[in-house]
Amino acid sequence: DTEVTQTPKHLVMGMTNKKSLKCEQHMGHRAMYWYKQKAKKPPELMFVYSYEKLSINESVPSRFSPECPNSSLLNLHLHALQPEDSALYLCASSQSTGSAGELFFGEGSRLTVL
Amino acid sequence: EDQVTQSPEALRLQEGESSSLNCSYTVSGLRGLFWYRQDPGKGPEFLFTLYSAGEEKEKERLKATLTKKESFLHITAPKPEDSATYLCAVRDNYGQNFVFGPGTRLSVLP
Repeated sequence: DTEVTQTPKHLVMGMTNKKSLKCEQHMGHRAMYWYKQKAKKPPELMFVYSYEKLSINESVPSRFSPECPNSSLLNLHLHALQPEDSALYLCASSQSTGSAGELFFGEGSRLTVL
Repeated sequence: EDQVTQSPEALRLQEGESSSLNCSYTVSGLRGLFWYRQDPGKGPEFLFTLYSAGEEKEKERLKATLTKKESFLHITAPKPEDSATYLCAVRDNYGQNFVFGPGTRLSVLP
């Protein structure tokens, strides 16, 4: 069983809605990540938080807004999305951005934008 | 810039037919090479980490090996439940990101 928990598992939203994806880990990891994955493609990095501070933003549109309230929680706030934003959104964590340790993923949130 | 390629893109095997998946990488100082298994609609599941050339790791029917330029995932006597996409990723000594390859879609037929 994964130790990274994501909610909701599925989300359908209109282009004018505001919603949030949530992620929680209890492994004591200090680096947390958001990835976007389209069908038959590898995960694509969106954001990295290191010790609760945003350290990487891969030129993601401002309609995606990340938040890291504490070392265990990571949110992704969604507003005014486009149909092309429909994808599997994956949260992941690792020991730290400076370690050699592996990345652990959650089960993902399947987002559909109508 | 770090790069990862994987071959083949897709592989169909009969149950019990052993084979290998390839991951070729270019990285400025390897901090780690990682293998993941991903089932449709699910998050990637961690399998192995390899740190230096010559290292090998095994888990059930899977064995991962590493050279200075590539890694192989050997699957011995696969079963239908081994069907999944296998992703390879690298992390270099300087960056915070994990760079993923495009994956190999494995189908094992009964």
